[in-house]
Amino acid sequence: QVQLVESGGDVVQPGRSLRLSCVASGFTFTIHGMHWVRQAPGKGLEWVAGIWYDGNNKYYIDPVKGRFTVSRDNSKKTLYLQMDSLRVEDTGVYYCVRESRSTVPKGRWFDPWGQGTLVTVSS
Amino acid sequence: QTVVTQEPAFSVSPGGTVILTCGLSSGSVSTSNYPSWYQQTPGQAPRTLIYGTNIRSSGVPDRFSGSILGNKAALTITGAQADDESDYYCLLYMGSGIVVFGGGTKLTVL
Repeated sequence: QVQLVESGGDVVQPGRSLRLSCVASGFTFTIHGMHWVRQAPGKGLEWVAGIWYDGNNKYYIDPVKGRFTVSRDNSKKTLYLQMDSLRVEDTGVYYCVRESRSTVPKGRWFDPWGQGTLVTVSS
Repeated sequence: QTVVTQEPAFSVSPGGTVILTCGLSSGSVSTSNYPSWYQQTPGQAPRTLIYGTNIRSSGVPDRFSGSILGNKAALTITGAQADDESDYYCLLYMGSGIVVFGGGTKLTVL
C-alpha cells in the first residue's frame, strides 16, 4: 500500500524553526521526485517546494526561498522540510506528495498525498 | 509571476453537467503543462481525479473527464451527484521545476 506519513507540525512563534518529516512506504522512493504543498486555513492549495529523485535539484516558491530547505534521505525513504524564520503567513496544513510520471501519454502529477501536518505560527 | 485561474465558485443541479476551467494569466494551457485535477472535501487531503490532461485516476467515476478547451484545461462533470460537492483544484507544470495550483473552484450541487 502506497503511503506517505508526515510529522513534525507544531505551534511555534514567529522567527523560530521547525522541521517536517515525511516517511514513504509501498513504492520505490528513490525513483520519484517529491514535493511539499501547503494550505492555509480556509484557503487553496499552494505548492511550496520540490526535490528531484536523487536530491540534486530543488525548487521553491518565492516567499520561502532562503528560509525553507527541502531535502531527502533515500536510505530512510524520508522527505524533509526545514523551515526557518517562520512567519505568521506560513501557518497551514503541510502535505507531502509524490510526483508520479507517465510516458504514454506524457504526464506528471501529484499522487498520493499524505494526510498533512499542521503548522501554526503565532505569538 | 504566472497566475493559474479557476472560477471561484460554480453551481450545478443534480444530474446536470458542469465544466470547470483552468487558465493562465498570460498565455494558453497546453498538454505540455500536464494539467491535472484534484478534488478536496473539508478536512481531507486532496484526491487525484485527472492527470495528463485527460487520464482518469484509478477508481474515479467516468462522469469526470478532462480536456483542453480553447486555451484552457477543463474538467467536465457529467451527471453531477450530491457527493461531487467539493473544492476542485487544477495543477500546471510551468517548466524549470515550478508547479502552480489554481485558486480552486468551490462546486455546489443543488
